[in-house]
Amino acid sequence: SQTIHQWPATLVQPVGSPLSLECTVEGTSNPNLYWYRQAAGRGLQLLFYSVGIGQISSEVPQNLSASRPQDRQFILSSKKLLLSDSGFYLCAWTRGPSQPQHFGDGTRLSIL
Amino acid sequence: AQKVTQAQTEISVVEKEDVTLDCVYETRDTTYYLFWYKQPPSGELVFLIRRNSFDEQNEISGRYSWNFQKSTSSFNFTITASQVVDSAVYFCALARSNYKLTFGKGTLLTVNP
Repeated sequence: SQTIHQWPATLVQPVGSPLSLECTVEGTSNPNLYWYRQAAGRGLQLLFYSVGIGQISSEVPQNLSASRPQDRQFILSSKKLLLSDSGFYLCAWTRGPSQPQHFGDGTRLSIL
Repeated sequence: AQKVTQAQTEISVVEKEDVTLDCVYETRDTTYYLFWYKQPPSGELVFLIRRNSFDEQNEISGRYSWNFQKSTSSFNFTITASQVVDSAVYFCALARSNYKLTFGKGTLLTVNP
């Protein structure tokens, strides 16, 4: 069966520090991968998605970036965090648009 | 562009009451997919159901049922005999063929004992 791992579960970072969140999927190949952010108030905002290695689509201009160095690995990064980057970050995967997206447990990021 | 509207931001019920969560969507595509997700207080999103635009059959799974009506662009979710464990935020979502999922803003359901 397929599983998705996301870490760390919680992170507290100072403003201006770098960020690296990692997500890996097991049990499938060539998944579509996604990064979402959920701020207080519940809405889910799509940040990036990838349909293959090295293929990244950005949905929202910001100081975040994403990379997919391997087929089942998706990384969310920032060189300098802003206060507004605080939130709950979720990684997800799917086989295609007709299939449900399956989510990781999320990372709660607090910026001080 | 597609859009998903969950007009109910918060609903509070007493245990054993039935509750319906509304979802209205907008899309120009003829092929699309609808989903419901549950987000309990722990934070993870749990997939509940998928419907494609060609399948208007309603579905029942235990205490959960879904009513899909293309004529009104609605995909409503009913919980029968609600339980405290049903307390969560519920999201309706729409996918087209471009691999992107559009979520509604969610409905916070609180089931009180």
